[in-house]
Amino acid sequence: KAGVTQTPRYLIKTRGQQVTLSCSPISGHRSVSWYQQTPGQGLQFLFEYFSETQRNKGNFPGRFSGRQFSNSRSEMNVSTLELGDSALYLCASSLWTGGTSGANVLTFGAGSRLTVL
Amino acid sequence: DAKTTQPPSMDCAEGRAANLPCNHSTISGNEYVYWYRQIHSQGPQYIIHGLKNNETNEMASLIITEDRKSSTLILPHATLRDTAVYYCIVTDKLIFGTGTRLQVFP
Repeated sequence: KAGVTQTPRYLIKTRGQQVTLSCSPISGHRSVSWYQQTPGQGLQFLFEYFSETQRNKGNFPGRFSGRQFSNSRSEMNVSTLELGDSALYLCASSLWTGGTSGANVLTFGAGSRLTVL
Repeated sequence: DAKTTQPPSMDCAEGRAANLPCNHSTISGNEYVYWYRQIHSQGPQYIIHGLKNNETNEMASLIITEDRKSSTLILPHATLRDTAVYYCIVTDKLIFGTGTRLQVFP
């Protein structure tokens, strides 16, 4: 079956612009989470969505936002881009449906690499 | 939220067992321990997870201490392709740290 698909894979923006990244989860997965990875900070959690509702949010400014659609596809948006937003943005999906369980195994996409000039 | 502590880097000779430790002293009773690895900026790949019992699959073994405050991922016969960053996480918020960079050498 198809894995987690992220688009676009690479993009270049300039400071002040905004960007929207897309993530299509594995069929049947309703939980989607987003991460930012930079060389200095490692893998940092942005937010997690389940059934179109944001379940958890990491410690990022309000310029970072996301949403999930009824088909479980998710988008994240970064407004007023800064140089420090240059990173690999990773999306992961899981079968998690609620509570703390062993079902929250993540499958990651290949990521969207954003360069801000 | 439970946080994890891992050594920043480790070396292992090819063919030998690689034992990667993780400290998660603030883990709560219903939180699982998950291990992932990331090879050269690809998306992280799931390896194994467990709650309190030791687990084994085709990739690795996971040993969790009785008090659940630490765990060890064991790659029984490391190969050069196991060179990667290994992440241990223990919370529903899935907060990754900076992981352990494992270098397998010939």
